[in-house]
Amino acid sequence: GNSVTQMEGPVTLSEEAFLTINCTYTATGYPSLFWYVQYPGEGLQLLLKATKADDKGSNKGFEATYRKETTSFHLEKGSVQVSDSAVYFCALSSGYNFNKFYFGSGTKLNVKP
Amino acid sequence: DAGITQSPRHKVTETGTPVTLRCHQTENHRYMYWYRQDPGHGLRLIHYSYGVKDTDKGEVSDGYSVSRSKTEDFLLTLESATSSQTSVYFCAISGGGGTDTQYFGPGTRLTVL
Repeated sequence: GNSVTQMEGPVTLSEEAFLTINCTYTATGYPSLFWYVQYPGEGLQLLLKATKADDKGSNKGFEATYRKETTSFHLEKGSVQVSDSAVYFCALSSGYNFNKFYFGSGTKLNVKP
Repeated sequence: DAGITQSPRHKVTETGTPVTLRCHQTENHRYMYWYRQDPGHGLRLIHYSYGVKDTDKGEVSDGYSVSRSKTEDFLLTLESATSSQTSVYFCAISGGGGTDTQYFGPGTRLTVL
């Protein structure tokens, strides 16, 4: 079946620190992979995505590379800011008959000034 | 931002009462979804729709029903609300296809007393 596992939080970092949030997946076929971000009191927003192996998604300084050999899609940012404090969700879409998504449980990031 | 609205945004109700949540989109997207978000569980799919009058169950559909009579509207009904249905409910839409993105509404916070 399809599933997503991401590291438990919360993750607490100081401003300008390097961020990695691990995400691994199990999927049938050739899924697309996504990272979403959720700020307090809001819905999820797409942060970045990758649709095939070795693709790198990037946005707002965040990056993630679709690694088929390790079934991973780790989120990274070189220098976090206080404004990056949020909950981050890794997700995959099955892409067969319909666009069904599978989400990880979310990782809360706290960035301290 | 994708044109998705949810109503109401907040609701408090009593056990045993029926509740209907509405999701409205202006994007003419084919697929619509209802999720619930609870601490420790991430996002769980309740029901989804792949067209007008075409709906199917997700992983936590017990106690919920849905209807979609128009492309733009997807209704979620709790026939007889229970305290375990206290949650934040998110609607999402997508155009379909394996590489497409899901876009989320702002959420409805439901409290069942």
